[in-house]
Amino acid sequence: DSGVTQTPKHLITATGQRVTLRCSPRSGDLSVYWYQQSLDQGLQFLIQYYNGEERAKGNILERFSAQQFPDLHSELNLSSLELGDSALYFCASSRLAGKNTPGEQYFGPGTRLTVT
Amino acid sequence: AQSVTQLDSQVPVFEEAPVELRCNYSSSVSVYLFWYVQYPNQGLQLLLKYLSGSTLVKGINGFEAEFNKSQTSFHLRKPSVHIRDTAEYFCAVSSDNYGQNFVFGPGTRLSVLP
Repeated sequence: DSGVTQTPKHLITATGQRVTLRCSPRSGDLSVYWYQQSLDQGLQFLIQYYNGEERAKGNILERFSAQQFPDLHSELNLSSLELGDSALYFCASSRLAGKNTPGEQYFGPGTRLTVT
Repeated sequence: AQSVTQLDSQVPVFEEAPVELRCNYSSSVSVYLFWYVQYPNQGLQLLLKYLSGSTLVKGINGFEAEFNKSQTSFHLRKPSVHIRDTAEYFCAVSSDNYGQNFVFGPGTRLSVLP
């Protein structure tokens, strides 16, 4: 158990719909990352938040958005869903390992999204 | 920009044989290196990391990796694999203190055969 929780575990929805995925980081971790994992694209970094503010953006579509709340949990919103959005969505969290040293990321169990 | 290459997409090996999973990176600045493992239907789990110091890093489950700056490599090794090591292995690199620019390689699927 990494200490990172994600809900829901599974989500089945139709094209055109909107869903929200939720992530609670490990206690004390300020950074939250979102990844998409699919068979053809591999593990793709979507976005990172640090203490409530967007810190880095990866291959995130405009139809997708995220935010990190004051209690540090994060939500990933996916809208106008397409069949190709079917994938595993992982959340990870991290903290600084020491002064000027990045910490490793701890991954949640993922949310499997199926768009039909 | 950084990038990570894992040349072998699949590595089949017999049980109790040694294995090496290759990872090469490119970066214009100093980097921090990580190996993660993903077992079927699970999230990624940290195997080991290199932040500084000794270039030979030991991780969990008997794995180790060696950082070679001149060859920009961070290959993962295990002297004797078990069936339970069957999984996907990801190499990752970060060059930022706050975890930005955290780039994962495409992964190598290790299949341990009886």
